[in-house]
Amino acid sequence: GIQVEQSPPDLILQEGANSTLRCNFSDSVNNLQWFHQNPWGQLINLFYIPSGTKQNGRLSATTVATERYSLLYISSSQTTDSGVYFCAGSGRGYQKVTFGTGTKLQVIP
Amino acid sequence: DAMVIQNPRYQVTQFGKPVTLSCSQTLNHNVMYWYQQKSSQAPKLLFHYYDKDFNNEADTPDNFQSRRPNTSFCFLDIRSPGLGDAAMYLCATSRGQVFSGNTIYFGEGSWLTVV
Repeated sequence: GIQVEQSPPDLILQEGANSTLRCNFSDSVNNLQWFHQNPWGQLINLFYIPSGTKQNGRLSATTVATERYSLLYISSSQTTDSGVYFCAGSGRGYQKVTFGTGTKLQVIP
Repeated sequence: DAMVIQNPRYQVTQFGKPVTLSCSQTLNHNVMYWYQQKSSQAPKLLFHYYDKDFNNEADTPDNFQSRRPNTSFCFLDIRSPGLGDAAMYLCATSRGQVFSGNTIYFGEGSWLTVV
């Protein structure tokens, strides 16, 4: 199966700062999604982004499928952005979604 | 309103005592998944259903079983929980196959403690 690596593993931000999270995958994926897991464990889907760029409020994501990576941008971070960010994808034709190693983000006031 | 509902949210069981976790969905999605997530780790897929078709991951222990009696409900049975099975169990759904571009929706999770 595919391997998904995320960086950085941990990140501490001052409220209002911007950040970029990266996801690298070992093989082609045709379904790349970003999730936010809040401190209570709830996983929320942020983006379905197999390629290209999408924006949703202060968050945006870009996937360059040919180079096997995706980026998640968080602008003007807020304390509610704290939690773990996962990217996840499945290999071509496979149903199994593999999650990345995660980036743990802490936004401090 | 919650669309993927898991019960119980917190479960404490004794070593070796069978436990069942339930999941219901109001999305009428075809696919339902069970993931296991241990502390500070990524969710790991245990198995999934496409309608009634059951798909077990190769590395899922036999101790874990699942039932899907209808579209809306799916159960995770742990026959003889060990200390290593303490984790959060996440149920998720998608309308169709993920490789066809379907988004996955997660429930809030069931935290299992084994004593």
